[in-house]
Amino acid sequence: DQQVKQNSPSLSVQEGRISILNCDYTNSMFDYFLWYKKYPAEGPTFLISISSIKDKNEDGRFTVFLNKSAKHLSLHIVPSQPGDSAVYFCAADYRGIADKLIFGTGTRLQVFP
Amino acid sequence: NAGVMQNPRHLVRRRGQEARLRCSPMKGHSHVYWYRQLPEEGLKFMVYLQKENIIDESGMPKERFSAEFPKEGPSILRIQQVVRGDSAAYFCASSPGHTDTQYFGPGTRLTVL
Repeated sequence: DQQVKQNSPSLSVQEGRISILNCDYTNSMFDYFLWYKKYPAEGPTFLISISSIKDKNEDGRFTVFLNKSAKHLSLHIVPSQPGDSAVYFCAADYRGIADKLIFGTGTRLQVFP
Repeated sequence: NAGVMQNPRHLVRRRGQEARLRCSPMKGHSHVYWYRQLPEEGLKFMVYLQKENIIDESGMPKERFSAEFPKEGPSILRIQQVVRGDSAAYFCASSPGHTDTQYFGPGTRLTVL
């Protein structure tokens, strides 16, 4: 049962343009969502998070949007840079009940010049 | 401030041998989490520990796998009598508290021959 889904395995974007990565979840008890970035042979690096009481959180070039009614979140990267090329994982948590992150399968982003 | 440290980075074992994976959390972090990533999949939660206590082991296989986080020293994930299906990347994460962001180590890549 895949509770967190990233339906696009890959995305290719030109440098300077916007990258939009999507994530859907099925469990309405999730109350915290995170995005991690992962390079090959390295561990995931925390990027940005959002609580379910918010619908947007911004940090520099990264913005996460949460639509609770649709059980959907997205990560926007503007402008995209070649160094952003990596695999991006969406993760969900239900704090106060459990502390295990539920990860999606990842989206591989390639930013080309 | 050093990040989460894991060793070894690569581990090769033959079927039937034991594998020991170590994780030293970030300074000031007393919560440790282990995740496993199979090829082409997302990370799957295995176990959550605090010092000397297992809090949640719902993701651990019932046999051959065990974890500990002693009062002194790193957290250890132990796999007895390894099989080929145990080949994966094993990631450790740590956080200062149970509702705080988890930060990941570089992982240990286990190969079972």
